[in-house]
Amino acid sequence: AQKVTQAQTEISVVEKEDVTLDCVYETRDTTYYLFWYKQPPSGELVFLIRRNSFDEQNEISGRYSWNFQKSTSSFNFTITASQVVDSAVYFCALSGLGANSKLTFGKGITLSVRP
Amino acid sequence: EPEVTQTPSHQVTQMGQEVILRCVPISNHLYFYWYRQILGQKVEFLVSFYNNEISEKSEIFDDQFSVERPDGSNFTLKIRSTKLEDSAMYFCASIRDSVSYEQYFGPGTRLTVT
Repeated sequence: AQKVTQAQTEISVVEKEDVTLDCVYETRDTTYYLFWYKQPPSGELVFLIRRNSFDEQNEISGRYSWNFQKSTSSFNFTITASQVVDSAVYFCALSGLGANSKLTFGKGITLSVRP
Repeated sequence: EPEVTQTPSHQVTQMGQEVILRCVPISNHLYFYWYRQILGQKVEFLVSFYNNEISEKSEIFDDQFSVERPDGSNFTLKIRSTKLEDSAMYFCASIRDSVSYEQYFGPGTRLTVT
């Protein structure tokens, strides 16, 4: 069975602060994919990143960066110099391959960025 | 950029009524999914569909639920007799093939059962 744990439920920061959102996962699959999605107040799910299990290179995209550590089964997400528009619920998710490709989501982290 | 669309955006129905939620996946995608998100909770997998049949379903997806791809473009979720606890946001998603694992989500249909 697959499981995603996002232990933080709500985080509040002041604009321009850096913030890290934690994600820990469990899976018996040897090959799998990890994702982050953003859900703004409007409700849609916005894809941020996909990482496959055999690529542990960290990734940076603008103010966003992701740290994948297979040894600790973690896939953490950092927003640098946060902005009010980053306020949203952030979900980490896990999928297997082929017939196992459904997404298993964590409970989400509500990030509030105050001006 | 192609996108997944869902209609209606909001559906209000009375308990016991049947509802059909509609999705149009991206045209060359082959794998289709429905997920549910009860307000304030996590997104939960309901069912996956490939090659005109259900590949996997969760324990939430009981006999009250069914899915169909009636015409090669629409992908529908039917709830036969709605309950109050079916009130949620329902998301449709699709992926192109078994190699590309980015699931493209539709904007969701908010179902309110009164």
